Amino acid sequence: GAVVSQHPSWVICKSGTSVKIECRSLDFQATTMFWYRQFPKQSLMLMATSNEGSKATYEQGVEKDKFLINHASLTLSTLTVTSAHPEDSSFYICSATSVGAQPQHFGDGTRLSIL
Amino acid sequence: GEDVEQSLFLSVREGDSSVINCTYTDSSSTYLYWYKQEPGAGLQLLTYIFSNMDMKQDQRLTVLLNKKDKHLSLRIADTQTGDSAIYFCADGYGNNRLAFGKGNQVVVIP
Repeated sequence: GAVVSQHPSWVICKSGTSVKIECRSLDFQATTMFWYRQFPKQSLMLMATSNEGSKATYEQGVEKDKFLINHASLTLSTLTVTSAHPEDSSFYICSATSVGAQPQHFGDGTRLSIL
Repeated sequence: GEDVEQSLFLSVREGDSSVINCTYTDSSSTYLYWYKQEPGAGLQLLTYIFSNMDMKQDQRLTVLLNKKDKHLSLRIADTQTGDSAIYFCADGYGNNRLAFGKGNQVVVIP
């Protein structure tokens, strides 16, 4: 149980393009989803926390207009990187948790490469 | 903010035990977690321990928690080549968020 699916797994696109990443909880209702960014050989950096039906809470230094998060249902959250540039290239990982202090279950990540 | 420290690299022979250590700063942590990340993949939850426990064993994995010293360790018994990965400890804090350590790369030598 507790499977989180992330799509796409790899994206290569031109500078200026907007890219949408989906995160789905397949077998449980995810009241909260998290979006992380990971640079090579580094740890995960929390970007934002998303509660179903509410606006996302962004961590300090993360531009909310750059990284649009939507969590419209209990099984789906999306992250849109708007007008992506090479410096946005990174590994983006989502996680999901259900009600209460439950462990976060992670998707397999999306490698974003902006040319 | 939350601060979680880990050592960076461990090399171990197949069949030996591996021990990975982690220290954290938040004394109000409810749960502490160990995650495994293989190359190019997301994080796989290995195990977690409630903060009022000292030890948890799950098959080949043993977690020890010293709450006084804010020290967490993961012991992998009979390490296999499939255990080669990066291991992250994580400290659960407000609103179900996680603070991750920098990760510890474990390389298992056949």
